[in-house]
Amino acid sequence: DVVMTQSPLSLPVTLGQPASISCRSSQSLVHSDGNTYLTWFQQRPGQSPRRLIYRVSNRDSGVPDRFSGSGSGTDFTLKISRVEAEDVGVYYCMQGTHWPPWTFGQGTKVEIK
Amino acid sequence: DVQLVESGGGLVQPGGSLRLSCAASGFTFSSSSMHWVRQAPGKGLVWVSRISSDGTTITYADSVRGRFTISRDNAKNTLYLQMNSLRAEDTALYYCSRSNFDIWGLGTMVTVSS
Repeated sequence: DVVMTQSPLSLPVTLGQPASISCRSSQSLVHSDGNTYLTWFQQRPGQSPRRLIYRVSNRDSGVPDRFSGSGSGTDFTLKISRVEAEDVGVYYCMQGTHWPPWTFGQGTKVEIK
Repeated sequence: DVQLVESGGGLVQPGGSLRLSCAASGFTFSSSSMHWVRQAPGKGLVWVSRISSDGTTITYADSVRGRFTISRDNAKNTLYLQMNSLRAEDTALYYCSRSNFDIWGLGTMVTVSS
């Protein structure tokens, strides 16, 4: 199974400042079809997960453009350009290249300092 | 509105059974593969099972294979998860999600305890 490792696991940030979350996979996530199936989710307190980014860097409809995804191969990053109060929650990366199983990272808790 | 609504959770004794349901609306359910994902209290997301749009291709996580059965009724726009031989470690909030995890329900809580 592909292991997804996120860092940091806890991220205190100041409002208006940038934030960055790293996600590394135990093997390349490049699929034989040429796509890289790396997805980012946001889970606000008490809510269901919400997909933010798919295939590394594609933002879902309604996701603010302060969120961006990048990376390739085994190293990926989710960036928030200026953190707002509504961004508090846990962020997960997930790979969908080598399935089954689909595997998630441990989650990164973003909180306001 | 595109929506998934889970139901069927509850308190069950170890070794018992439960059947979860996920009612879909607002999209062509019969064209979408579907997943179950669970989240133990205070823990992360764990994929459980996936079924293809026509129900012919099914996969499970090792932790549930042989105990859980995923199925669907495309005429009723409903996804199911039959859970047998339940263990304490199956205690979690169970979510259903559409094919590429773009839509999630609110989840249904399963508690396995004596």
